[in-house]
Amino acid sequence: KAGVTQTPRYLIKTRGQQVTLSCSPISGHRSVSWYQQTPGQGLQFLFEYFSETQRNKGNFPGRFSGRQFSNSRSEMNVSTLELGDSALYLCASSSLGPINTGELFFGEGSRLTVL
Amino acid sequence: LAKTTQPISMDSYEGQEVNITCSHNNIATNDYITWYQQFPSQGPRFIIQGYKTKVTNEVASLFIPADRKSSTLSLPRVSLSDTAVYYCLVGASTSGTYKYIFGTGTRLKVLA
Repeated sequence: KAGVTQTPRYLIKTRGQQVTLSCSPISGHRSVSWYQQTPGQGLQFLFEYFSETQRNKGNFPGRFSGRQFSNSRSEMNVSTLELGDSALYLCASSSLGPINTGELFFGEGSRLTVL
Repeated sequence: LAKTTQPISMDSYEGQEVNITCSHNNIATNDYITWYQQFPSQGPRFIIQGYKTKVTNEVASLFIPADRKSSTLSLPRVSLSDTAVYYCLVGASTSGTYKYIFGTGTRLKVLA
């Protein structure tokens, strides 16, 4: 059974640009959640989607957005990139929800560098 | 502001038992406590989850006191391959808002 797949694995952008990251969950999983990981702030929850609906959202500005498609694949977008957005963005899927009532399966992440 | 804190780092020797504590003062009443392990350049991996008292699986035990404001992950007889960063995850309620919060992470180094 294939794991959670995130693309791209690495990318470099400049300030002001926007970026879209993709996540394909484990087959059959309907919940997808996103996280930002930085050395300074650690792991922070961005948002969670279940059956194409955003079910919960963390404390991030509106520049961070996401969506989920009918096949459960998810994308997150960051607009008007800032230097502080440089981070590892992790996606996780689960068969249950909310995210803390079962096991989360994480992808390897997309490492974003903003110059 | 809800905070979930852990010791920054711990060292241990192979074969010893390691206990890592997470403090989560604002844990939501009906929420679970989950622990994850993360190796460099990988996403976190589920270790164990519990709601109260004690939970044990094939790799770890989780101890949760009655007030649920903290939890302790216990790793029996650690090996070099247990060197990783460990995170707790809880749902916390502050001012009527529910958020998922990871702990600050504990970097465990197992020595030979």
